[in-house]
Amino acid sequence: AQSVTQPDIHITVSEGASLELRCNYSYGATPYLFWYVQSPGQGLQLLLKYFSGDTLVQGIKGFEAEFKRSQSSFNLRKPSVHWSDAAEYFCAVGSSGGSYIPTFGRGTSLIVHP
Amino acid sequence: KAGVTQTPRYLIKTRGQQVTLSCSPISGHRSVSWYQQTPGQGLQFLFEYFSETQRNKGNFPGRFSGRQFSNSRSEMNVSTLELGDSALYLCASSFKVGTEAFFGQGTRLTVV
Repeated sequence: AQSVTQPDIHITVSEGASLELRCNYSYGATPYLFWYVQSPGQGLQLLLKYFSGDTLVQGIKGFEAEFKRSQSSFNLRKPSVHWSDAAEYFCAVGSSGGSYIPTFGRGTSLIVHP
Repeated sequence: KAGVTQTPRYLIKTRGQQVTLSCSPISGHRSVSWYQQTPGQGLQFLFEYFSETQRNKGNFPGRFSGRQFSNSRSEMNVSTLELGDSALYLCASSFKVGTEAFFGQGTRLTVV
């Protein structure tokens, strides 16, 4: 069965500092991978996705993520965090079809100090 | 292009009642998924519909059901509500199964 692990429940960074949120997945084939962000009381917004090709993907709001097959990871990065980036971040794995259940990680809460 | 619309945004129900939540996907999207989000369990997949057929189902009791109409709009029904059903229910639509999902703002259900 596929699974997604986000090992960090909370991460605290100072505004302007760099950020890396970790995501590890378990999936039999090449997965589709996603990062979503959720502000309090809101739905999830897609930040970026990986389907195939270039393993470094760029997303919205200055975020990027790198797919590393050998490490089964898809970590999210941002070079300089803004206070408005404080939110919950979810990594997710999907597939191209067949019988599967789309799987989300438990999320990482990002706290940004001024 | 309009996003995913969920109605209502907030609901308060009494234990034992039933509730129906509605989701209108992005135009052209034929796949609709439902998720339950709680602080304790995180995001849990309920079910997914594609072209009016349930394609996948998560591990929830039969009190949770759904359907999809020919215009891709979807409804989710929860019968015999329990206190533990209090959650944010999120709907997401995709062009096809497994690809990027676009989420609505959710329906906050409170069972008292």
